[in-house]
Amino acid sequence: DAGVIQSPRHEVTEMGQEVTLRCKPISGHDYLFWYRQTMMRGLELLIYFNNNVPIDDSGMPEDRFSAKMPNASFSTLKIQPSEPRDSAVYFCASRRAGVGIQYFGAGTRLSVL
Amino acid sequence: SQELEQSPQSLIVQEGKNLTINCTSSKTLYGLYWYKQKYGEGLIFLMMLQKGGEEKSHEKITAKLDEKKQQSSLHITASQPSHAGIYLCGADFNTDKLIFGTGTRLQVFP
Repeated sequence: DAGVIQSPRHEVTEMGQEVTLRCKPISGHDYLFWYRQTMMRGLELLIYFNNNVPIDDSGMPEDRFSAKMPNASFSTLKIQPSEPRDSAVYFCASRRAGVGIQYFGAGTRLSVL
Repeated sequence: SQELEQSPQSLIVQEGKNLTINCTSSKTLYGLYWYKQKYGEGLIFLMMLQKGGEEKSHEKITAKLDEKKQQSSLHITASQPSHAGIYLCGADFNTDKLIFGTGTRLQVFP
């Protein structure tokens, strides 16, 4: 089975531009999580979905960040406008209901210049 | 997160040496998950512990959860360069999500 697929793997953009990160969870998984990883703050949960519905977005840093899950096989994390402090590795993870193990994608390394 | 403390932050060991990484919670754990991350890659699931006193092993890595379910340790026996990476613990506090520790960066030199 294919794992969690994220795209792009690397993104370099200029401050003020819109950035869209994409995630395809493992088929059959009910939960999808978006994380951000930095040296200073470690791995932080931004938002998670259950059956395509956002459940907890308390980790989203500010209104510049938004996430959607239009169907069970696709989710996006959008930053508009991007700022240099958004530079980080963004991970998507998914899991099945009733099973705590989360499976992670390879991540998107974002650099905002 | 202050709910979960991981130590040490970094570890440099000589190949063949044993080492231990700790993860301590301020609250009762409903589950504790260990992951490993190599540079530029995602997190790879290693082991899950749920019962007090539980111990699991995979190859040369052993993870334990204490009886009170507030502390877990990850022990590597006879370390190898392939063990190098970042080890993270993730805590289940009976919610849908995991809270992760800050990670332990392990380097193994020949």
